[in-house]
Amino acid sequence: AQSVTQPDIHITVSEGASLELRCNYSYGATPYLFWYVQSPGQGLQLLLKYFSGDTLVQGIKGFEAEFKRSQSSFNLRKPSVHWSDAAEYFCAVGPRYNNNDMRFGAGTRLTVKP
Amino acid sequence: EPEVTQTPSHQVTQMGQEVILRCVPISNHLYFYWYRQILGQKVEFLVSFYNNEISEKSEIFDDQFSVERPDGSNFTLKIRSTKLEDSAMYFCANAGENTEAFFGQGTRLTVV
Repeated sequence: AQSVTQPDIHITVSEGASLELRCNYSYGATPYLFWYVQSPGQGLQLLLKYFSGDTLVQGIKGFEAEFKRSQSSFNLRKPSVHWSDAAEYFCAVGPRYNNNDMRFGAGTRLTVKP
Repeated sequence: EPEVTQTPSHQVTQMGQEVILRCVPISNHLYFYWYRQILGQKVEFLVSFYNNEISEKSEIFDDQFSVERPDGSNFTLKIRSTKLEDSAMYFCANAGENTEAFFGQGTRLTVV
C-alpha cells in the first residue's frame, strides 16, 4: 500500500535561514510527487510537482524539491525563508498512470521566527 | 491556472441532517476526488470518481456518504445523516489525464 511520511510535525526556522522539509514515500513504482502548502483556514496550493525528467524541480515562491529514487524521498527546500512562508506543508503521492490514489502525508507546520 | 469551485464555503447543519457539498470542475478534467481535513489534522482521502462511478474509496467513506455528478457537470458529496465528527473541511479535487489534482478552496462543515 502506498504511504507518505513526513517525519517532522513542526519546524521552526529564523527568517532568512534555509529550510528543508522531509518527505518519504512507500510505493510499488515511481509515483507522481507533489508538495502543497496550506495557510491557516485556506485551501491547498500546489507548490511543485514531479512527474518525470529532471529530479530537481522548481516551484513557486522560490521552493524546490529533489526526487531521490534510492532514498524514496522528495524533500522540499528553500534557501532563504520569508515570514510569509509560515504555513502547513503537505507532501503527496499519486500513481504514475492515473490519479485515483493520491495520498497525503500528515503535514509539517512551519513557524518562521523574526 | 485551472480553478475548481466549491460551494458553499461554510455550512452549518444540525446533527442528523443531510448535507450536499458541491464542486464545479474544470472542463475536460474527468477525475474527481473528495478529501476531508478535520481541524488540525492531516488531509484524508475519501473517494475518487471517474467515468460516472467510484474508482476507490477509503474506510472513512461509509454508507452515509455518496457521490454523484447529477447533471454531468457538478460533482457532489452527500452526507446522509451528519454526525458531530463529520465536522471538517471538505476539499474537492479535479484532475485530467496525467495532470496534478487541482483543489477547490474547501467547504467548512460544522455539525452542531
